[in-house]
Amino acid sequence: DGGITQSPKYLFRKEGQNVTLSCEQNLNHDAMYWYRQDPGQGLRLIYYSQIVNDFQKGDIAEGYSVSREKKESFPLTVTSAQKNPTAFYLCASTQWGTENSPLHFGNGTRLTVT
Amino acid sequence: GQNIDQPTEMTATEGAIVQINCTYQTSGFNGLFWYQQHAGEAPTFLSYNVLDGLEEKGRFSSFLSRSKGYSYLLLKELQMKDSASYLCAVRNQAGTALIFGKGTTLSVSS
Repeated sequence: DGGITQSPKYLFRKEGQNVTLSCEQNLNHDAMYWYRQDPGQGLRLIYYSQIVNDFQKGDIAEGYSVSREKKESFPLTVTSAQKNPTAFYLCASTQWGTENSPLHFGNGTRLTVT
Repeated sequence: GQNIDQPTEMTATEGAIVQINCTYQTSGFNGLFWYQQHAGEAPTFLSYNVLDGLEEKGRFSSFLSRSKGYSYLLLKELQMKDSASYLCAVRNQAGTALIFGKGTTLSVSS
């Protein structure tokens, strides 16, 4: 079955360390996204990529970095510059081209930084 | 810029009907989505509206009025499993990403 895999499900890090969250999709989608979810805040867009080797900042990109070297993979690095990194991180993908293309989400990674 | 407003919380009883409203302000409109999210899980797609009117899909329906910047999600014959957050989202002006509201947490009681 096609889908989006995020790993790991839970991640713990010490303050001051960079950490990379994995996102892999086998849906052959061109577009991939990273969202962050905090209690009461809904989903906020961090970065997105419409095509390999290209990506754009979302609303809250500061303290994060991404790469898109392969169509299937869109890893997110949470750097030590991110002031409040503890959150639930969701990766998504879609194939724009038909109007009602929904986002397909992975199961998320819950990051705790202490 | 874009702004999306939804009520924070709603409660209802099993078997009832509930309407979750969403208002939005956008620079350009490219479609509105509704998602359901159970606690700790990924959001799942419910419906899409780009033209005015009602889209029905089983127990769930979604309505859009572009002139009013308004949508609602209607859930009929509520079940306990419908307890979840419901997220309203609109495409950004370029049509390249979805911008989400803060979500409405629905609690269904027996």
